[in-house]
Amino acid sequence: KAGVTQTPRYLIKTRGQQVTLSCSPISGHRSVSWYQQTPGQGLQFLFEYFSETQRNKGNFPGRFSGRQFSNSRSEMNVSTLELGDSALYLCASRAGANQPQHFGDGTRLSIL
Amino acid sequence: AQTVTQSQPEMSVQEAETVTLSCTYDTSESDYYLFWYKQPPSRQMILVIRQEAYKQQNATENRFSVNFQKAAKSFSLKISDSQLGDAAMYFCAYRSGIQGAQKLVFGQGTRLTINP
Repeated sequence: KAGVTQTPRYLIKTRGQQVTLSCSPISGHRSVSWYQQTPGQGLQFLFEYFSETQRNKGNFPGRFSGRQFSNSRSEMNVSTLELGDSALYLCASRAGANQPQHFGDGTRLSIL
Repeated sequence: AQTVTQSQPEMSVQEAETVTLSCTYDTSESDYYLFWYKQPPSRQMILVIRQEAYKQQNATENRFSVNFQKAAKSFSLKISDSQLGDAAMYFCAYRSGIQGAQKLVFGQGTRLTINP
């Protein structure tokens, strides 16, 4: 069974641009969460989607948004990029309410 | 809000020895889950072990075991017979037991080095 797949693996952008990251969950998993990982702030929860609906959102500005498609694939978008958005963005999926989350390899976003 | 604290930024151990990583958490909830994740340089966050708060028995997965002290809000990870492949960042994480809750709250991590 394929794991959580995140694309692209690396991205380089400049300030002011926008970016879209993609996440394909494990087959059969309908819940997808996104996390931001930085050396200073550690791992922080961005948002969670289930059946195309956002169920929870972390404490991030409105520049960070996401969506989930009917096949459970999810995208997150960051607009008007800032230097502080440089981070590893991790996606995780899970099979059910009491199941653990399984993570992808992440997308490394660098802002110049 | 729940918080997770890992007080050891770095630890090292000789290959084949045993090492214990510490984690404490703060919550007012009675139903929750605790996890240890491992993140090697490859970046993927790998689940090592999980513990349900309502279970008194400590979880064990091969060489990995936990010491879950609910009253003390402590959740340490013991790695026995350490192997070179165990070298990684280890993160302790908390998840509420509330229906539908998925948000993981992570500690700052402990970098584990295995000395050959």
